[in-house]
Amino acid sequence: KNEVEQSPQNLTAQEGEFITINCSYSVGISALHWLQQHPGGGIVSLFMLSSGKKKHGRLIATINIQEKHSSLHITASHPRDSAVYICAVIGSGSRLTFGEGTQLTVNP
Amino acid sequence: KAGVTQTPRYLIKTRGQQVTLSCSPISGHRSVSWYQQTPGQGLQFLFEYFSETQRNKGNFPGRFSGRQFSNSRSEMNVSTLELGDSALYLCASSVMGQGGEKLFFGSGTQLSVL
Repeated sequence: KNEVEQSPQNLTAQEGEFITINCSYSVGISALHWLQQHPGGGIVSLFMLSSGKKKHGRLIATINIQEKHSSLHITASHPRDSAVYICAVIGSGSRLTFGEGTQLTVNP
Repeated sequence: KAGVTQTPRYLIKTRGQQVTLSCSPISGHRSVSWYQQTPGQGLQFLFEYFSETQRNKGNFPGRFSGRQFSNSRSEMNVSTLELGDSALYLCASSVMGQGGEKLFFGSGTQLSVL
């Protein structure tokens, strides 16, 4: 079993839909990153969370340290949100361990 | 402010050769980390440098090495290349901000080993 599990692996939505991507982890962590990767490889860090909730525009990220679970929500999704979303946890020694990613496709 | 710059963007090598990849972090960032991304294994942590010292190392063989210079630029070296080393190699620089650590990734070096 991977230390970081994301679900779903693939997600197709219609423009305007509310989207949720989940991340569960099995190790102790100090914080968690949500990353976005567009075709061509470029990765953008969306959030770093150690507790609670953060919001930036249409993106909301939450984390529950006790339940070892985080979610990334996208409100009013748009085709430009189509990308791979990756959860990465900061574990022992400040090393990042990554989930396998969620491929999101938003159709117009 | 310029972003994280990785060179070269693409590289083709043959088995047994060695390769050096370069990463220039954002000005003022002292932490640089390296990652390997493959379709099969996804993203994996290689190592992290801070102020010229290796702070963390992932589970990669000794053929993978790196260093950081006094200007925070970092290089990664892979010796005796194997077909399985074909991957996108990403580096990131980071800085502690108000909301915690902020990571900034380069565009990566796509390495193909033939």
